[in-house]
Amino acid sequence: AQSVTQLDSQVPVFEEAPVELRCNYSSSVSVYLFWYVQYPNQGLQLLLKYLSGSTLVESINGFEAEFNKSQTSFHLRKPSVHISDTAEYFCAVKRANFGNEKLTFGTGTRLTIIP
Amino acid sequence: SAVISQKPSRDICQRGTSLTIQCQVDSQVTMMFWYRQQPGQSLTLIATANQGSEATYESGFVIDKFPISRPNLTFSTLTVSNMSPEDSSIYLCSVVGPTNTGELFFGEGSRLTVL
Repeated sequence: AQSVTQLDSQVPVFEEAPVELRCNYSSSVSVYLFWYVQYPNQGLQLLLKYLSGSTLVESINGFEAEFNKSQTSFHLRKPSVHISDTAEYFCAVKRANFGNEKLTFGTGTRLTIIP
Repeated sequence: SAVISQKPSRDICQRGTSLTIQCQVDSQVTMMFWYRQQPGQSLTLIATANQGSEATYESGFVIDKFPISRPNLTFSTLTVSNMSPEDSSIYLCSVVGPTNTGELFFGEGSRLTVL
């Protein structure tokens, strides 16, 4: 089975400062990795995903994540955050090539941007 | 992407009653997933619903408490039976994206409060 660990439950960051949200996974097989964002009182939206190929993946709003197989990590980064980035961020994993399987989620990291 | 509509978006229920949540997708999908997000917690999979067969429940969830229907490829319902305050959660319907690359698309969720 796959599992995900998000070490930081809350991360406060000043506006325009960089941020890293940590995600580590555990699996005996190849995996797909995802970051989802949940804005206050909204559903989950896919932020970015790693399936294969380039280990660095980017989102349209400036976030990026790097798949590191040796460290079993998929940390999310942004060089300069905005107030609008305040949200809950969830890392998720599933077995590669099993498209119809469930996603297993981490416990989430609440990102709070301080003006 | 898939567009998912859930009803109701929120409700306040009395202890001992039951509530049915509806999930409508704008395209035909093989599998639908029902997740629960308890206050301040991550997402936990309740069950996987396939059209034309019994839902598959995760450990800790049973059909008597969370009966699921899946009458066609675009619709599913989840009933929360004999509710107690511990059932106060957001219930989310999700489907695998049309490209079948693994990401899930989520509805806005149904926020239930049980008094």
